Amino acid sequence: KQEVTQIPAALSVPEGENLVLNCSFTDSAIYNLQWFRQDPGKGLTSLLLIQSSQREQTSGRLNASLDKSSGRSTLYIAASQPGDSATYLCAAPLNDYKLSFGAGTTVTVRA
Amino acid sequence: ETGVTQSPTHLIKTRGQQVTLRCSSQSGHNTVSWYQQALGQGPQFIFQYYREEENGRGNFPPRFSGLQFPNYSSELNVNALELDDSALYLCASSPGGERGGTQYFGPGTRLLVL
Repeated sequence: KQEVTQIPAALSVPEGENLVLNCSFTDSAIYNLQWFRQDPGKGLTSLLLIQSSQREQTSGRLNASLDKSSGRSTLYIAASQPGDSATYLCAAPLNDYKLSFGAGTTVTVRA
Repeated sequence: ETGVTQSPTHLIKTRGQQVTLRCSSQSGHNTVSWYQQALGQGPQFIFQYYREEENGRGNFPPRFSGLQFPNYSSELNVNALELDDSALYLCASSPGGERGGTQYFGPGTRLLVL
């Protein structure tokens, strides 16, 4: 069984500061690792997917790293903006269909 | 390209009733997964359908059942509703046949059981 943990549960930063979000998982035999964004009361938007053979993925201001040996992934968001305020979830599936999610980190970027 | 859609957006039921939630997958996707997200928690996997067959199930009781149609749209049925079934129900579609591929989520159906 895969256990996914995200710490901290909440984070508040001033605009312009870089964000660092952490995700840890217990079983390193993951297919991939995905980061999602969720706005209040809404569905999930996929941000980045890192295949198990990769060490990082980048998309614009977002960069995600993956270290399977230590069971960790980190999502970096550069130069945060108020529009980045949301809950960020990571998911580390052990197979190709069942996503195991963390509880998320709720980010507030203060203008 | 149309994304994943779900209906209804909100629903209020009373304990013991039955509910059906619907999901239309993204064009070209033959795989649909359902998740339950309680307030303040991450989504929990309910089950997945691939080409009209159940392709895996999470730790949910049999009163949670599903269906996938030839056009790959899907339904989630929940019988004998309990208060703890109040949650956001998310549907996700994926292309299938691609191991480890991205799942694309719909906006969800918020169910409140009174």
